[in-house]
Amino acid sequence: AQSVTQLGSHVSVSEGALVLLRCNYSSSVPPYLFWYVQYPNQGLQLLLKYTTGATLVKGINGFEAEFKKSETSFHLTKPSAHMSDAAEYFCAVSRNDMRFGAGTRLTVKP
Amino acid sequence: DAGVIQSPRHEVTEMGQEVTLRCKPISGHNSLFWYRQTMMRGLELLIYFNNNVPIDDSGMPEDRFSAKMPNASFSTLKIQPSEPRDSAVYFCASSENRDRTEAFFGQGTRLTVV
Repeated sequence: AQSVTQLGSHVSVSEGALVLLRCNYSSSVPPYLFWYVQYPNQGLQLLLKYTTGATLVKGINGFEAEFKKSETSFHLTKPSAHMSDAAEYFCAVSRNDMRFGAGTRLTVKP
Repeated sequence: DAGVIQSPRHEVTEMGQEVTLRCKPISGHNSLFWYRQTMMRGLELLIYFNNNVPIDDSGMPEDRFSAKMPNASFSTLKIQPSEPRDSAVYFCASSENRDRTEAFFGQGTRLTVV
Protein backbone atom coordinates (compact mmCIF):
# COMPACT_ATOMS: atom_id res chain seq x y z
CA ALA A 1 0.00 0.00 0.00
CA GLN A 2 1.17 3.52 -0.62
CA SER A 3 0.11 6.87 0.78
CA VAL A 4 1.24 10.44 1.25
CA THR A 5 0.88 12.80 4.17
CA GLN A 6 1.02 16.53 3.70
CA LEU A 7 1.90 18.40 6.86
CA GLY A 8 -0.09 21.58 7.21
CA SER A 9 -3.41 22.11 5.47
CA HIS A 10 -2.74 25.84 5.24
CA VAL A 11 0.52 27.69 4.74
CA SER A 12 0.80 31.47 4.60
CA VAL A 13 3.90 33.34 3.44
CA SER A 14 4.75 36.88 2.49
CA GLU A 15 5.53 37.77 -1.09
CA GLY A 16 9.23 37.19 -1.69
CA ALA A 17 9.58 34.73 1.19
CA LEU A 18 10.60 31.09 0.98
CA VAL A 19 7.85 28.59 0.26
CA LEU A 20 8.14 25.17 1.92
CA LEU A 21 5.35 22.62 1.56
CA ARG A 22 5.93 19.30 3.27
CA CYS A 23 5.16 15.83 1.98
CA ASN A 24 6.02 12.44 3.44
CA TYR A 25 5.24 9.21 1.70
CA SER A 26 4.78 5.59 2.55
CA SER A 27 5.52 2.96 -0.05
CA SER A 28 6.66 -0.64 0.03
CA VAL A 29 8.48 -0.20 -3.28
CA PRO A 30 10.54 2.68 -4.69
CA PRO A 31 7.98 5.41 -5.23
CA TYR A 32 7.25 7.70 -8.08
CA LEU A 33 6.40 11.09 -6.60
CA PHE A 34 4.59 14.10 -7.97
CA TRP A 35 3.54 17.59 -7.00
CA TYR A 36 0.43 19.12 -8.54
CA VAL A 37 -1.10 22.58 -8.25
CA GLN A 38 -4.80 23.39 -8.40
CA TYR A 39 -6.13 26.87 -9.05
CA PRO A 40 -9.76 27.68 -8.21
CA ASN A 41 -12.33 25.91 -10.36
CA GLN A 42 -9.67 24.10 -12.35
CA GLY A 43 -8.21 20.64 -12.59
CA LEU A 44 -4.80 19.66 -11.27
CA GLN A 45 -1.68 20.65 -13.15
CA LEU A 46 1.67 18.93 -12.80
CA LEU A 47 4.44 20.97 -11.19
CA LEU A 48 7.18 18.35 -11.12
CA LYS A 49 7.85 14.65 -10.71
CA TYR A 50 10.48 12.24 -9.45
CA THR A 51 10.80 8.78 -10.94
CA THR A 52 14.47 7.82 -10.97
CA GLY A 53 17.84 9.53 -11.19
CA ALA A 54 18.64 12.91 -9.71
CA THR A 55 16.94 13.41 -6.37
CA LEU A 56 16.55 17.17 -6.78
CA VAL A 57 13.96 17.87 -9.42
CA LYS A 58 13.01 21.21 -10.87
CA GLY A 59 9.56 22.05 -12.07
CA ILE A 60 7.57 24.87 -13.53
CA ASN A 61 7.16 28.33 -12.01
CA GLY A 62 10.44 28.12 -10.09
CA PHE A 63 9.42 25.23 -7.85
CA GLU A 64 11.68 22.33 -6.97
CA ALA A 65 11.53 19.28 -4.72
CA GLU A 66 14.06 16.89 -3.26
CA PHE A 67 13.51 13.18 -2.83
CA LYS A 68 15.02 12.02 0.46
CA LYS A 69 14.70 8.29 0.85
CA SER A 70 16.11 8.24 4.38
CA GLU A 71 13.42 10.68 5.50
CA THR A 72 10.69 9.35 3.16
CA SER A 73 10.08 12.95 2.18
CA PHE A 74 9.49 14.94 -0.97
CA HIS A 75 9.13 18.54 0.17
CA LEU A 76 8.30 21.30 -2.30
CA THR A 77 10.18 24.59 -2.19
CA LYS A 78 10.41 27.91 -3.98
CA PRO A 79 12.97 30.55 -2.97
CA SER A 80 10.70 33.55 -3.44
CA ALA A 81 6.90 33.46 -3.34
CA HIS A 82 4.83 35.36 -5.85
CA MET A 83 1.21 36.38 -5.50
CA SER A 84 0.33 34.10 -8.41
CA ASP A 85 1.55 31.08 -6.42
CA ALA A 86 -1.54 31.22 -4.22
CA ALA A 87 -3.30 27.91 -4.87
CA GLU A 88 -3.76 24.42 -3.47
CA TYR A 89 -0.87 22.02 -3.78
CA PHE A 90 -1.08 18.25 -3.79
CA CYS A 91 1.63 15.67 -3.32
CA ALA A 92 1.02 12.28 -4.95
CA VAL A 93 2.64 8.85 -5.01
CA SER A 94 2.24 6.44 -7.88
CA ARG A 95 2.70 2.73 -8.18
CA ASN A 96 -0.07 1.18 -10.32
CA ASP A 97 -2.40 3.98 -9.31
CA MET A 98 -1.94 7.57 -8.14
CA ARG A 99 -2.78 8.49 -4.55
CA PHE A 100 -2.95 12.09 -3.41
CA GLY A 101 -2.33 13.81 -0.12
CA ALA A 102 -4.98 15.99 1.49
CA GLY A 103 -3.55 19.13 -0.05
CA THR A 104 -1.99 22.32 1.30
CA ARG A 105 -3.55 25.68 0.61
CA LEU A 106 -0.87 28.31 0.06
CA THR A 107 -1.71 31.95 0.75
CA VAL A 108 0.71 34.69 -0.30
CA LYS A 109 0.45 37.99 1.55
CA PRO A 110 1.51 41.24 -0.14
CA ASP B 1 -4.49 17.40 -28.32
CA ALA B 2 -7.27 19.18 -26.46
CA GLY B 3 -6.46 17.43 -23.22
CA VAL B 4 -8.84 15.41 -21.10
CA ILE B 5 -12.39 16.48 -21.82
CA GLN B 6 -15.15 16.08 -19.29
CA SER B 7 -18.83 16.79 -19.66
CA PRO B 8 -20.90 18.33 -18.37
CA ARG B 9 -18.95 20.97 -16.43
CA HIS B 10 -21.83 21.49 -14.05
CA GLU B 11 -24.73 19.23 -13.17
CA VAL B 12 -27.59 19.94 -10.82
CA THR B 13 -30.00 17.11 -10.23
CA GLU B 14 -32.64 16.04 -7.80
CA MET B 15 -32.10 13.29 -5.30
CA GLY B 16 -33.01 9.92 -6.73
CA GLN B 17 -32.18 10.80 -10.31
CA GLU B 18 -29.57 9.06 -12.41
CA VAL B 19 -26.44 11.05 -13.21
CA THR B 20 -23.91 10.22 -15.91
CA LEU B 21 -20.55 11.91 -16.12
CA ARG B 22 -18.47 11.59 -19.25
CA CYS B 23 -14.78 11.64 -20.01
CA LYS B 24 -12.66 11.60 -23.13
CA PRO B 25 -9.01 10.85 -22.29
CA ILE B 26 -6.00 12.07 -24.20
CA SER B 27 -5.47 10.04 -27.35
CA GLY B 28 -2.82 7.36 -26.85
CA HIS B 29 -3.12 7.25 -23.08
CA ASN B 30 -3.90 3.79 -21.79
CA SER B 31 -4.73 4.54 -18.16
CA LEU B 32 -7.78 6.43 -16.98
CA PHE B 33 -8.69 7.50 -13.46
CA TRP B 34 -11.85 8.83 -11.82
CA TYR B 35 -11.44 10.99 -8.72
CA ARG B 36 -13.90 12.72 -6.41
CA GLN B 37 -12.97 15.91 -4.58
CA THR B 38 -14.78 17.26 -1.53
CA MET B 39 -13.79 19.62 1.24
CA MET B 40 -14.19 16.91 3.84
CA ARG B 41 -12.43 14.02 2.13
CA GLY B 42 -10.07 15.72 -0.30
CA LEU B 43 -9.18 13.96 -3.54
CA GLU B 44 -10.27 10.33 -3.55
CA LEU B 45 -9.46 7.77 -6.22
CA LEU B 46 -12.70 6.02 -7.17
CA ILE B 47 -11.60 3.67 -9.91
CA TYR B 48 -8.94 3.30 -12.56
CA PHE B 49 -8.74 1.52 -15.87
CA ASN B 50 -5.78 0.21 -17.81
CA ASN B 51 -6.30 -0.60 -21.48
CA ASN B 52 -10.07 -0.18 -20.93
CA VAL B 53 -10.14 -2.80 -18.17
CA PRO B 54 -11.10 -1.80 -14.62
CA ILE B 55 -8.12 -2.60 -12.41
CA ASP B 56 -9.15 -1.34 -9.00
CA ASP B 57 -12.61 -0.11 -8.04
CA SER B 58 -12.12 -0.34 -4.30
CA GLY B 59 -12.61 3.40 -4.02
CA MET B 60 -16.12 3.34 -5.41
CA PRO B 61 -18.31 4.37 -2.47
CA GLU B 62 -21.14 1.90 -2.96
CA ASP B 63 -23.18 0.03 -5.50
CA ARG B 64 -24.93 3.18 -6.61
CA PHE B 65 -21.70 4.10 -8.40
CA SER B 66 -20.59 2.38 -11.59
CA ALA B 67 -18.00 3.15 -14.23
CA LYS B 68 -17.42 1.87 -17.72
CA MET B 69 -14.84 2.28 -20.43
CA PRO B 70 -16.27 0.79 -23.61
CA ASN B 71 -13.32 1.93 -25.72
CA ALA B 72 -10.02 3.77 -25.44
CA SER B 73 -11.55 7.18 -26.05
CA PHE B 74 -14.54 7.24 -23.72
CA SER B 75 -15.48 6.53 -20.14
CA THR B 76 -18.55 7.15 -18.00
CA LEU B 77 -19.20 7.37 -14.29
CA LYS B 78 -22.81 6.77 -13.35
CA ILE B 79 -24.59 7.37 -10.07
CA GLN B 80 -28.01 5.77 -9.68
CA PRO B 81 -29.84 6.83 -7.60
CA SER B 82 -28.05 10.03 -6.67
CA GLU B 83 -28.02 11.41 -3.12
CA PRO B 84 -27.13 14.85 -1.70
CA ARG B 85 -23.93 13.43 -0.18
CA ASP B 86 -22.72 12.67 -3.70
CA SER B 87 -22.34 16.40 -4.32
CA ALA B 88 -18.69 16.97 -5.21
CA VAL B 89 -16.34 17.76 -8.06
CA TYR B 90 -15.56 14.67 -10.11
CA PHE B 91 -12.31 14.59 -12.05
CA CYS B 92 -11.21 12.32 -14.82
CA ALA B 93 -7.50 11.92 -15.55
CA SER B 94 -5.47 9.93 -18.02
CA SER B 95 -1.85 8.90 -18.35
CA GLU B 96 0.38 7.03 -20.77
CA ASN B 97 0.90 4.32 -18.20
CA ARG B 98 0.08 3.79 -14.58
CA ASP B 99 3.37 4.56 -12.92
CA ARG B 100 6.05 6.84 -14.20
CA THR B 101 4.16 9.35 -16.22
CA GLU B 102 2.00 12.06 -14.83
CA ALA B 103 -1.76 12.03 -14.92
CA PHE B 104 -3.41 14.77 -16.94
CA PHE B 105 -6.62 16.07 -15.44
CA GLY B 106 -9.81 17.33 -16.98
CA GLN B 107 -11.55 20.46 -15.75
CA GLY B 108 -13.91 18.42 -13.62
CA THR B 109 -17.67 18.12 -13.30
CA ARG B 110 -19.26 19.92 -10.39
CA LEU B 111 -22.21 17.82 -9.28
CA THR B 112 -24.89 19.18 -7.00
CA VAL B 113 -27.64 16.86 -5.82
CA VAL B 114 -30.56 18.65 -4.20
